[in-house]
Amino acid sequence: TQLLEQSPQFLSIQEGENLTVYCNSSSVFSSLQWYRQEPGEGPVLLVTVVTGGEVKKLKRLTFQFGDARKDSSLHITAAQPGDTGLYLCAGPLKGNAGNMLTFGGGTRLMVKP
Amino acid sequence: ETGVTQSPTHLIKTRGQQVTLRCSSQSGHNTVSWYQQALGQGPQFIFQYYREEENGRGNFPPRFSGLQFPNYSSELNVNALELDDSALYLCASSLEQGFGETQYFGPGTRLLVL
Repeated sequence: TQLLEQSPQFLSIQEGENLTVYCNSSSVFSSLQWYRQEPGEGPVLLVTVVTGGEVKKLKRLTFQFGDARKDSSLHITAAQPGDTGLYLCAGPLKGNAGNMLTFGGGTRLMVKP
Repeated sequence: ETGVTQSPTHLIKTRGQQVTLRCSSQSGHNTVSWYQQALGQGPQFIFQYYREEENGRGNFPPRFSGLQFPNYSSELNVNALELDDSALYLCASSLEQGFGETQYFGPGTRLLVL
């Protein structure tokens, strides 16, 4: 079974704090994606990481793909209330050469003003 | 705005009934995927259609079926509804179905089965 486990499940912080959320698996993934989902909306793609050890930055968000391509992390610097949402990691379904995805359970982030 | 729309937004059904959910993809997108997202969980892959043919299926029983039409719209049909079918159903469209093709998700249809 190809599981993506995300931690923590819930995170409530004050505006201005830093945070890191994790996505771990016992399986190797060819790539991992991070999405953010807000209430009443579908997930929106933030980033795709492909190379082991890769680091990508998107403004205050920093994404890292583990060297062994089994894990990834998302670090947010100086969190803002607009960062509130459900953060999901996803990877290609096992044996799939296309874009069918398996998702982690998500980290629900709340940033209080 | 992803350009992907779904209808209806909310739906209430009773156990044993049948339901049809609809999705309108971005124009030109040949691929549509459907996902089920139970409360408090991540989305689970149901199936994918490419150029009107099913080309991949997750761990869902045959009572979950779909159709994709030439006008970039698609349907998810669920027969003999069960209480556990209560969830947010998401469709996602992409230009093609290859590795790395970005998927654009609709806002979902929230289904409640009583």
